[in-house]
Amino acid sequence: AQKVTQAQTEISVVEKEDVTLDCVYETRDTTYYLFWYKQPPSGELVFLIRRNSFDEQNEISGRYSWNFQKSTSSFNFTITASQVVDSAVYFCALSEPPNTNAGKSTFGDGTTLTVKP
Amino acid sequence: DSGVTQTPKHLITATGQRVTLRCSPRSGDLSVYWYQQSLDQGLQFLIQYYNGEERAKGNILERFSAQQFPDLHSELNLSSLELGDSALYFCASSEGVNTEAFFGQGTRLTVV
Repeated sequence: AQKVTQAQTEISVVEKEDVTLDCVYETRDTTYYLFWYKQPPSGELVFLIRRNSFDEQNEISGRYSWNFQKSTSSFNFTITASQVVDSAVYFCALSEPPNTNAGKSTFGDGTTLTVKP
Repeated sequence: DSGVTQTPKHLITATGQRVTLRCSPRSGDLSVYWYQQSLDQGLQFLIQYYNGEERAKGNILERFSAQQFPDLHSELNLSSLELGDSALYFCASSEGVNTEAFFGQGTRLTVV
């Protein structure tokens, strides 16, 4: 069975600090997809990234970066120079074929990030 | 704006009642998914429809049902409501099963 663990329930940082959100997953499949979503206070779920299990290359998008390590079943998310607008709940999710999107996924419990000015 | 529209945004109803939540997917998207987000259960996948047919089922209660209509909009019906059904219900859509899923803003259901 699939499982996604986000051990950090809440994180609080001061603006401009770097912060890493941890995600550990369990799956029996060799092909799977990992996602990160952001849920700001307004409530909607905003897609951030999708990564398939065959692509372990780290990805950087502006202040966001992701570190995928199959050896440790982790897909961690780092925000560099955090800003108040980054305050949100962040979800990590896992999907197995035939679904390669997050539509039918197992989500972690989320990490609430608070960035203080 | 994801392009997925959910109505109503808020709903307050009494225990034992029945409600219908509506989802209009993005134009061209054939697949619709429903999720329930509650404080104690987190985000849980309920059900998926693809082009009018049920495609996958998750942790959906028997009191709940859904359908996708020929115009591809979907409805989630919740009946015999209990206090524990209070949650944020999300709809998501995707073009297929291999393309990115976009989530609506959710319907917040409060059962009193």
